[in-house]
Amino acid sequence: GAVVSQHPSRVICKSGTSVKIECRSLDFQATTMFWYRQFPKQSLMLMATSNEGSKATYEQGVEKDKFLINHASLTLSTLTVTSAHPEDSSFYICSARDNIRAGRMNTEAFFGQGTRLTVV
Amino acid sequence: GESVGLHLPTLSVQEGDNSIINCAYSNSASDYFIWYKQESGKGPQFIIDIRSNMDKRQGQRVTVLLNKTVKHLSLQIAATQPGDSAVYFCAENRPGAGSYQLTFGKGTKLSVIP
Repeated sequence: GAVVSQHPSRVICKSGTSVKIECRSLDFQATTMFWYRQFPKQSLMLMATSNEGSKATYEQGVEKDKFLINHASLTLSTLTVTSAHPEDSSFYICSARDNIRAGRMNTEAFFGQGTRLTVV
Repeated sequence: GESVGLHLPTLSVQEGDNSIINCAYSNSASDYFIWYKQESGKGPQFIIDIRSNMDKRQGQRVTVLLNKTVKHLSLQIAATQPGDSAVYFCAENRPGAGSYQLTFGKGTKLSVIP
C-alpha cells in the first residue's frame, strides 16, 4: 500500500531557530503534496500545496516566508518553519496522492504520521 | 450519547454496538468524499471513500452513506470495538479547488466503552 513517511515525529526547538520537516512518499510518486496544521481538538487546516518543480501555493493567511516549502523531487517535500515562535507549536501533517492513480480519478490522500513541533 | 466539547463533538458507544458518525459538508459541487480515522498523536488513516454518483458504499464493518440533497455524509461502524476509539473526520474534494485538495470537517471523537 501507499506509504507516506514524515520526519521527525517530534521536535523541540528554541524560539528564533528554524525547523525542517520532511515528507516522503515511499512507494509512489507524488507531483503534489499537501501540508496541514492541526491544533489540539481541532481539525486539519490546509496550509499549502507543494508542487514538484514549482512554487508552493499557500492558503490565505499563511505566511510563505515563514513556512518555506520545497518540493525538489517526486517523492520529497520539505516544510521549514523559520524563526519559530511558541505560537508555531502545533501538529504538522503532510499528505500525498499517487500520481498515476490520481491522474485517472479522485483517490484518497495518504498521510504521514505527523510532526509535533514544540517551540520553547 | 453524543455531546459537544470545546471544539470536538464526542460520541460514546458500548462495545459491540453500532456507531453512526455524521458529517455535514458545505459545497454542493463536491464530488468525492473520504472518511479518515485519527488516533492520538498520529496522522489520519483512510477508512472508506465514496464518489458523488453513489449513495452508499460498504467496506469491512464500515458503511458510508451520502445524501446529496441535504449535503450529509455518515459513517456507520458495525460491532464497535475498543480499537475504534479515535477521532473521525470526513473530507470533501471540491472541484476547482485545485490539485485534488481535501477540506476536512470538524471531526467527531468516538469513545468505546468496554
